[in-house]
Amino acid sequence: AQTVTQSQPEMSVQEAETVTLSCTYDTSESDYYLFWYKQPPSRQMILVIRQEAYKQQNATENRFSVNFQKAAKSFSLKISDSQLGDAAMYFCAYRTSLSGNTPLVFGKGTRLSVIA
Amino acid sequence: GAVVSQHPSRVICKSGTSVKIECRSLDFQATTMFWYRQFPKQSLMLMATSNEGSKATYEQGVEKDKFLINHASLTLSTLTVTSAHPEDSSFYICSAATLKETQYFGPGTRLLVL
Repeated sequence: AQTVTQSQPEMSVQEAETVTLSCTYDTSESDYYLFWYKQPPSRQMILVIRQEAYKQQNATENRFSVNFQKAAKSFSLKISDSQLGDAAMYFCAYRTSLSGNTPLVFGKGTRLSVIA
Repeated sequence: GAVVSQHPSRVICKSGTSVKIECRSLDFQATTMFWYRQFPKQSLMLMATSNEGSKATYEQGVEKDKFLINHASLTLSTLTVTSAHPEDSSFYICSAATLKETQYFGPGTRLLVL
């Protein structure tokens, strides 16, 4: 079974600084998809970024980027120019297929605090 | 982007009663809906996968007679917590998906059983 591990229960970052959240996963599949979701205090899950395993290029979305190391099964999220609104729980997630009808496997999450 | 709603957003009920939670995809047809449960300060745990017109697939350890799931149409799935007890108190989140890539999450329902 696939597993996702987030080893940092909590992280903090100064406003405008950069922070990296770690995620590792375990799978025997060669084709899969990785996601970072943000869950603010409202508890609405928000997709931050997505990476297809077959793509070597790391995904980027504005201030958010990933460092995808397939051989190491590592998928870290970098947040640049951190803003107060970035404070939230961040979940790393894995899915075996890009098809929407396969479930996501979530890590335990990292709580990010942003210090003004 | 696509919108998924959940109703109610929060519910308080007495122990022994049943509670129904609705999950609707408002502007798209969802071939599959997922139900997750989230305890405080914990991650989302998949409870079941629901496909329109067929029986839901429950994860190991989830009682199907306790958590009844009905996916009556391509825009509506319901989760009924039967004979609710305090240990069923939790945050329930649904997500709706098409055959394309993205799952869209509902805002969640907070259930408190007294």
